Amino acid sequence: AQSVSQHNHHVILSEAASLELGCNYSYGGTVNLFWYVQYPGQHLQLLLKYFSGDPLVKGIKGFEAEFIKSKFSFNLRKPSVQWSDTAEYFCAVIGNNNDMRFGAGTRLTVKP
Amino acid sequence: DTAVSQTPKYLVTQMGNDKSIKCEQNLGHDTMYWYKQDSKKFLKIMFSYNNKELIINETVPNRFSPKSPDKAHLNLHINSLELGDSAVYFCASRGTGGTGGYTFGSGTRLTVV
Repeated sequence: AQSVSQHNHHVILSEAASLELGCNYSYGGTVNLFWYVQYPGQHLQLLLKYFSGDPLVKGIKGFEAEFIKSKFSFNLRKPSVQWSDTAEYFCAVIGNNNDMRFGAGTRLTVKP
Repeated sequence: DTAVSQTPKYLVTQMGNDKSIKCEQNLGHDTMYWYKQDSKKFLKIMFSYNNKELIINETVPNRFSPKSPDKAHLNLHINSLELGDSAVYFCASRGTGGTGGYTFGSGTRLTVV
């Protein structure tokens, strides 16, 4: 069955620490990959997306993600987090049926 | 101009009531969706409409019914509300081609008491 897995349920970091959030998917064929962020009480905002080309994708707010096709992964990274990065992060995939499916989300807490 | 707008933003209602949430998009997109985000933040697709045709109906109770009067609107009607319906409901739209990603509304927080 098609699915999106985010391994980390809750990540706690101190400011300036490096971040990597895991995302794996199990879809056949071509996929489009996304990371969304949801700040407390707010709606989903697109951080970055991958359709094709360079597997290293740069997004907003200093985030980046790397698509590794052989590992079916699309991990999100940031070299130095800030307190304002505290939020819920969702990995999402659009597969052949053109419908977006989300992972369960990872809550990031950044301690000042 | 808001691309995808939902109303109301907050909705508190009693069990057994019938309520509607409205969604409008001004992007000219062909497909609109409803997602439910539960208390654990899990996002689940509920419905999608493409050119006024329902093309997804996930395993949601038939108390939930989407209504699309035109391509720019997809409203969500909920009958006989239950406590478990409390959640945040997000509307989204997508243009043709499928690779453009989705544009989400700001969500409607429904609380059933």
